[in-house]
Amino acid sequence: AQKITQTQPGMFVQEKEAVTLDCTYDTSDQSYGLFWYKQPSSGEMIFLIYQGSYDEQNATEGRYSLNFQKARKSANLVISASQLGDSAMYFCAMREVYNQGGKLIFGQGTELSVKP
Amino acid sequence: DVKVTQSSRYLVKRTGEKVFLECVQDMDHENMFWYRQDPGLGLRLIYFSYDVKMKEKGDIPEGYSVSREKKERFSLILESASTNQTSMYLCASNLAGPNYNEQFFGPGTRLTVL
Repeated sequence: AQKITQTQPGMFVQEKEAVTLDCTYDTSDQSYGLFWYKQPSSGEMIFLIYQGSYDEQNATEGRYSLNFQKARKSANLVISASQLGDSAMYFCAMREVYNQGGKLIFGQGTELSVKP
Repeated sequence: DVKVTQSSRYLVKRTGEKVFLECVQDMDHENMFWYRQDPGLGLRLIYFSYDVKMKEKGDIPEGYSVSREKKERFSLILESASTNQTSMYLCASNLAGPNYNEQFFGPGTRLTVL
C-alpha cells in the first residue's frame, strides 16, 4: 500500500539559513509523482514543487528544491535562504500514475518555524 | 486565475444535524476531492469524483456522502453530524491525465460539531 512518512512534526530554522524537510514514501508502482505543498496559518494549500519518478534531475522552483533519492524512496524538500514567510505547515504527497482520479496520499506534515 | 471556493470558512453545527459543505471550481476540472485534515494525521481523503455523477470512496468515507450533479460543484454531506467530525475540510480539484497535474485547493472549512 502507498504510504508517505514525514518524521519531523516540527522544525526551527534561523532566517536566511537553509532547511531540509524529510519525506519518505512507499509504493510498489514504478511510475508515480511526488508533490510538496505549503499551508500557512490562513489554511490554504499552496503547491510548491513536483518530481516525477522518471525525472533524472532533481526538481527546482526558485528557493525550493527536491532532493530525490529513488533507491532510498526519499523526496526531501530543501528551502534555501529561509524567510519569515516560510513559517507554515509543509506536506509531502504522492500520486501513483495509474490510480483513478489522480488521488494524492499525504504525509502527516512538518511545521516549520523561521526565527528572525 | 484558477479558483476553488468553499461555501463557508467556519461552521458550527449541533450533533445530529445534517451538514452540507459546498465546493465550486471554475477551471473545468474533471477530478474533485474532499479531504479532512486533523493535527498529526495530515490530509485524509474522504471521497473523490472523476466525472459528473461519479464518486469513489477514499480512505475514510464512513459518516459522509457526496454529490456531484454538475462538473463544477462537489458537495460533501454529513447525514448526522457527530463530534468526531469536528475538523478542517478541504476541497480540491485537478485535470484528469498526467500525474504532474497538481491539485488546486479551496480555502478550507473549519467545522465544529457541538
